[in-house]
Amino acid sequence: TQLLEQSPQFLSIQEGENLTVYCNSSSVFSSLQWYRQEPGEGPVLLVTVVTGGEVKKLKRLTFQFGDARKDSSLHITAAQPGDTGLYLCAGDVVGNEKLTFGTGTRLTIIP
Amino acid sequence: DAGVIQSPRHEVTEMGQEVTLRCKPISGHNSLFWYRQTMMRGLELLIYFNNNVPIDDSGMPEDRFSAKMPNASFSTLKIQPSEPRDSAVYFCASTLGDSRAFFGQGTRLTVV
Repeated sequence: TQLLEQSPQFLSIQEGENLTVYCNSSSVFSSLQWYRQEPGEGPVLLVTVVTGGEVKKLKRLTFQFGDARKDSSLHITAAQPGDTGLYLCAGDVVGNEKLTFGTGTRLTIIP
Repeated sequence: DAGVIQSPRHEVTEMGQEVTLRCKPISGHNSLFWYRQTMMRGLELLIYFNNNVPIDDSGMPEDRFSAKMPNASFSTLKIQPSEPRDSAVYFCASTLGDSRAFFGQGTRLTVV
């Protein structure tokens, strides 16, 4: 079983601040995804990273895949209240589309 | 596209009753996943299908849980008999086979 640990578990910051959340595992993944989930809704895919060291940007969000493809980070610049939600990372291994989800980071941005 | 459609959105039932959750995947998607989400355990994969065939059901907690996919546009997850510890939000997700999952809005199940 591939275990994905996310940190921090909870994060509450003021609007305009920067933050980074982490997703770590001892397993190697062929790809890693980040999802955001809002209350009462299902997770929504934000990005997929597939190459070790890969960096992808989505407006104020920057995603990085670790060189060894075991970990990832999500950095948000100038956080806004609309960024509030549960952030989940998920990984899959080669030849298996079964996704293993991380433990989640619950982010609250205070106006 | 309407996305993944789940029904019902909420279900409250008494312990011992049978519960059936339904899912319609995105048209053209060939894989379907059932997940359960709780505060304690997060998002857990229960079972997934590829081309209507169950591929991995190792996450199904026990024999009280069963899932079917009779055709490419419909799947059910059944719990019989239900127990209070089954209370959770159940999600269905579908993919085109590339692991980019599209989730439904979930069914919030409460067993009293």
